[in-house]
Amino acid sequence: GAGVSQSPSNKVTEKGKDVELRCDPISGHTALYWYRQSLGQGLEFLIYFQGNSAPDKSGLPSDRFSAERTGGSVSTLTIQRTQQEDSAVYLCASSLVRASTDTQYFGPGTRLTVL
Amino acid sequence: RKEVEQDPGPFNVPEGATVAFNCTYSNSASQSFFWYRQDCRKEPKLLMSVYSSGNEDGRFTAQLNRASQYISLLIRDSKLSDSATYLCVVPSDSGGYQKVTFGIGTKLQVIP
Repeated sequence: GAGVSQSPSNKVTEKGKDVELRCDPISGHTALYWYRQSLGQGLEFLIYFQGNSAPDKSGLPSDRFSAERTGGSVSTLTIQRTQQEDSAVYLCASSLVRASTDTQYFGPGTRLTVL
Repeated sequence: RKEVEQDPGPFNVPEGATVAFNCTYSNSASQSFFWYRQDCRKEPKLLMSVYSSGNEDGRFTAQLNRASQYISLLIRDSKLSDSATYLCVVPSDSGGYQKVTFGIGTKLQVIP
């Protein structure tokens, strides 16, 4: 079956512009996670959804970042007024119910470059 | 203390060698642990889960030491294809709130 997909695969934008990143999880997976990985760095946990609800948004780096999930499926991560330090690979993962017991399946990521 | 700590390496080992990595964690309430593998410029993929006393899968053995709060990954008879970054993952699930902490990863380079 289809895995996790993300779009776009690459995004180059100018400082100050808004960007929207999309994640399509595996069908039937209730949990969805967003991470950020900067060059040579580990994965930084941003936010997770259980269904359409994001119980804890404290991992988002700033109020320029927001995320939503609709229909218990597709999720979008929006970054407003992008800054150069936002440049990173943004990874999305989904799991059946919860990361503490279930495998997380990752998408290929969106490589964001802010000029 | 960081929530999850790993030696970033790199560990350069010859083919056929046995190599072990450790990962320490700070949350004593964590119940489950995972090792993920990440190839260069690729997404992470699950290698092994680590519950209770440990797990073995072919050449790979993962163990948990709750008293000292670390997990380990042992790779026997290293292959060139084992070259990758190995990520230690510690999820926590408290009061309905999930959090997933990844270590920075340990880079392994298997040399012919």
